[in-house]
Amino acid sequence: AQSVTQLDSQVPVFEEAPVELRCNYSSSVSVYLFWYVQYPNQGLQLLLKYLSGSTLVESINGFEAEFNKSQTSFHLRKPSVHISDTAEYFCAVSDLQGAQKLVFGQGTRLTINP
Amino acid sequence: GAGVSQSPSNKVTEKGKDVELRCDPISGHTALYWYRQRLGQGLEFLIYFQGNSAPDKSGLPSDRFSAERTGESVSTLTIQRTQQEDSAVYLCASSRRHGGGELFFGEGSRLTVL
Repeated sequence: AQSVTQLDSQVPVFEEAPVELRCNYSSSVSVYLFWYVQYPNQGLQLLLKYLSGSTLVESINGFEAEFNKSQTSFHLRKPSVHISDTAEYFCAVSDLQGAQKLVFGQGTRLTINP
Repeated sequence: GAGVSQSPSNKVTEKGKDVELRCDPISGHTALYWYRQRLGQGLEFLIYFQGNSAPDKSGLPSDRFSAERTGESVSTLTIQRTQQEDSAVYLCASSRRHGGGELFFGEGSRLTVL
């Protein structure tokens, strides 16, 4: 069975500062990895995903995440955050064995201060 | 509709009552998921339907919880004899069979058990 650990429940940063949201996973099989975002008063939506190929994946709004198999990590980064990035971010994993059930981490609340 | 629709959006009930939560997935999506999000916590997997296969019920917390899905359409999550610890936002999501793990979430049903 898979599991996901998001090491930080809350991350406050100043606007235009860099940010890293940490995610580690545990699995005995190969996995797909995802970051979902929940903006205030909205439903969850996919931010980016790693399925195969390049270990560095990017979103359309400047976030990126790198799959590190040796460290079993999939940390999310952005070099310069904006107020509009304030949201809760969830890391998720599913296995490649056909079951598409996603297991989510506890979430990290990113707060951007002006 | 264009997205996943859940109803009711808010439900307040008394301890011991039964509740039903409804989810209308995106048309054509064969997979349907129910998750629970308690205040300040991550997403807890409840149940997963994929086409006509037997559902994965491994996340249901007790036999008071059950869910049904008619074909590849509407699903109903039923909680019998509600308890205060059942208070949470219940999220439904759907995906295509080979959707690469991208789930489309509804806005949730917030359940408050008094």
